[in-house]
Amino acid sequence: DAKTTQPNSMESNEEEPVHLPCNHSTISGTDYIHWYRQLPSQGPEYVIHGLTSNVNNRMASLAIAEDRKSSTLILHRATLRDAAVYYCILRDDGGATNKLIFGTGTLLAVQP
Amino acid sequence: GAGVSQSPRYKVTKRGQDVALRCDPISGHVSLYWYRQALGQGPEFLTYFNYEAQQDKSGLPNDRFSAERPEGSISTLTIQRTEQRDSAMYRCASSTYPGVTYEQYFGPGTRLTVT
Repeated sequence: DAKTTQPNSMESNEEEPVHLPCNHSTISGTDYIHWYRQLPSQGPEYVIHGLTSNVNNRMASLAIAEDRKSSTLILHRATLRDAAVYYCILRDDGGATNKLIFGTGTLLAVQP
Repeated sequence: GAGVSQSPRYKVTKRGQDVALRCDPISGHVSLYWYRQALGQGPEFLTYFNYEAQQDKSGLPNDRFSAERPEGSISTLTIQRTEQRDSAMYRCASSTYPGVTYEQYFGPGTRLTVT
């Protein structure tokens, strides 16, 4: 399975945008890029996913580099509730299983 | 609507005892997943079902761990002869269908402590 690399931690101020980077230089053509987050004491929750084009939803935006070797999760206005561990995960559409492979993620701290 | 539920939420057991952890997925969800999460780490895949068929059990650590989903809905993860190293948060997730474009919805987890 292709591997992702994320910073261990990041800080942001409330109501400011946050850009969470992810490197995936060994991504294959059938890998989708998924982001999940895990709030303190809760289970992971889905944030967004994409294949090649940038994606927007009510929670966030996903910007995917043209060569697909990196991507950035964008929270447009961070709130205190966005403090969580954010996981960037590759899921192979051609694979035999649909498991999520979580790395260590990025711990996002949001300051008031 | 109701999300994924798990029971018990907390389980303390003595080393050597068997435990059964239950997962009730979102109604109608075809796929069900089990993960284990140690403190400070991301969840680690254990096993996965489509309907009642176990599709992948490559993450089960050894033969003390087993899982079933006999009617394609509720699932049970059983750990026999528990050991202290089995202590962890056990999380269940479900998705509408298999496939990488379907998000997984996670339950609150069962915190297992083996003394």
